[in-house]
Amino acid sequence: QSVLTQPPSVSGAPGQRVTFSCTGSSSNIGAGYDVHWYRHLAGRAPQLLIYDSTNRASGVPDRFSASTSGTSASLSISGLQAEDEGDYYCQSYGNSQGLFGGGTKLTVL
Amino acid sequence: QVQLVESGGGLVKAGGSLRLSCAASGFTFSDNYMTWIRQAPGKGLEWLSDISTSGSYTKYADSVKGRFTISRDNARKSLHLQLNRLRADDTAVYYCARVFCSSTRCHGYYDHWGQGTLVTVSS
Repeated sequence: QSVLTQPPSVSGAPGQRVTFSCTGSSSNIGAGYDVHWYRHLAGRAPQLLIYDSTNRASGVPDRFSASTSGTSASLSISGLQAEDEGDYYCQSYGNSQGLFGGGTKLTVL
Repeated sequence: QVQLVESGGGLVKAGGSLRLSCAASGFTFSDNYMTWIRQAPGKGLEWLSDISTSGSYTKYADSVKGRFTISRDNARKSLHLQLNRLRADDTAVYYCARVFCSSTRCHGYYDHWGQGTLVTVSS
C-alpha cells in the first residue's frame, strides 16, 4: 500500500485530455514537499516529466501540465497521443523517506 | 551525456547476499546525491535509499533498513547497494538514479535513471 495514492488506470481517446491524481497527507504533500512525475515504459528507464510540482522537464511537451493543492497533486495531458501510453508515477518525500505513488496505467483508446 | 549503468543482479537464495553497482559517466559524480529505487514484478516503484555527495549521510526505506547498505566511491564514479538477508519479496528490478542538484542545493527528484538490474530471490 503506497503512502501516495494513485488510481490504477486511466484511459482516453486520442486528442482528449486526461488527468492523473496523487493523494498524500499532511506528512508529505501537505507538509510542502514538492511532487514530481515520471513515466515508465516496461523494460525502460523511468523518465522524469514534471519536477517541483509544476515544471516540465527538458524535452517534455507543453501538453503536459501539473499542479498541487493541499495534500494532493495532479498531472494532466492534453491532446492525448498514442505515444503517451505508459505507467505514470507521482513522487514526493515525507518522514525522511522518498515516496512513490502506486502508479497509474494510461491506455490510449 | 549522463549515463548510469547498473550491474550485479542475479539469482540468489533467500538469506543470501548480493552487491549491486552503478557506474556513472557524463557528469561530475561527486556533485550529486544518488539513490536506489526498485520495482517488484507487477508492482510500482519503491524508493530504497539515498546517499549524500560525500557518502556521509544516508537514508533508507523501512523495508530495507538494517539489511541493505548504500555506499559510493567518488574516485571510481560508482554507486553500490549491498543487499543482505535477502527475501523473496526483494525480487525486483533495481534502478540507480541521480538526484538533481543545482549549484545551491540538491532537490528531491531523479533526473536520470539507469536501465536497471534484475535481482531474483528464490525461496
